[in-house]
Amino acid sequence: AQKVTQAQTEISVVEKEDVTLDCVYETRDTTYYLFWYKQPPSGELVFLIRRNSFDEQNEISGRYSWNFQKSTSSFNFTITASQVVDSAVYFCALSHHNFNKFYFGSGTKLNVKP
Amino acid sequence: KAGVTQTPRYLIKTRGQQVTLSCSPISGHRSVSWYQQTPGQGLQFLFEYFSETQRNKGNFPGRFSGRQFSNSRSEMNVSTLELGDSALYLCASNLDGLGTEAFFGQGTRLTVV
Repeated sequence: AQKVTQAQTEISVVEKEDVTLDCVYETRDTTYYLFWYKQPPSGELVFLIRRNSFDEQNEISGRYSWNFQKSTSSFNFTITASQVVDSAVYFCALSHHNFNKFYFGSGTKLNVKP
Repeated sequence: KAGVTQTPRYLIKTRGQQVTLSCSPISGHRSVSWYQQTPGQGLQFLFEYFSETQRNKGNFPGRFSGRQFSNSRSEMNVSTLELGDSALYLCASNLDGLGTEAFFGQGTRLTVV
């Protein structure tokens, strides 16, 4: 069974603080993809990153970084020096490598206060 | 390059009616999938179409159906609407249908009264 767990329902930080959003997944597949999406109040899910199951290299993109650890089935997302514009709901997701079918976590609402 | 377009953005329907939602994927993308988002159940997969064929279906009643046209545009239909069908319906466009990144539209907000 495929499952994604985001234990943090809501996080509030003050601008410029660093924040980490946790994601734990379950799958029996050996090849899969992991994703992070951002959902602002407008409703559209904005793609942030994809990681392949065979590539555990961490990635940094500007203020965003992702830590993928297969040993703990985790794919955590860190925002460095958070900004008010980072306020949104963030979803972690898992897909099988052959189908366009995503399993989403329940989302973490991030509030960044000025 | 145009993104994923969903129409209409908002709908209000009465219980028992039916509704059709439309999704135009990114040009060249062959896979379209649909998701229902509610506060209680989160984001749930409805179905996926690839080259006009439904490849996967989520755990929803038969009142939910869809189709994909030769130009990859997709529609989903919900018949005999129930109050619980009120949700944000999101369409996702994917290039190759192989589970890689999907790009989402802004959704259709359906309210059933």
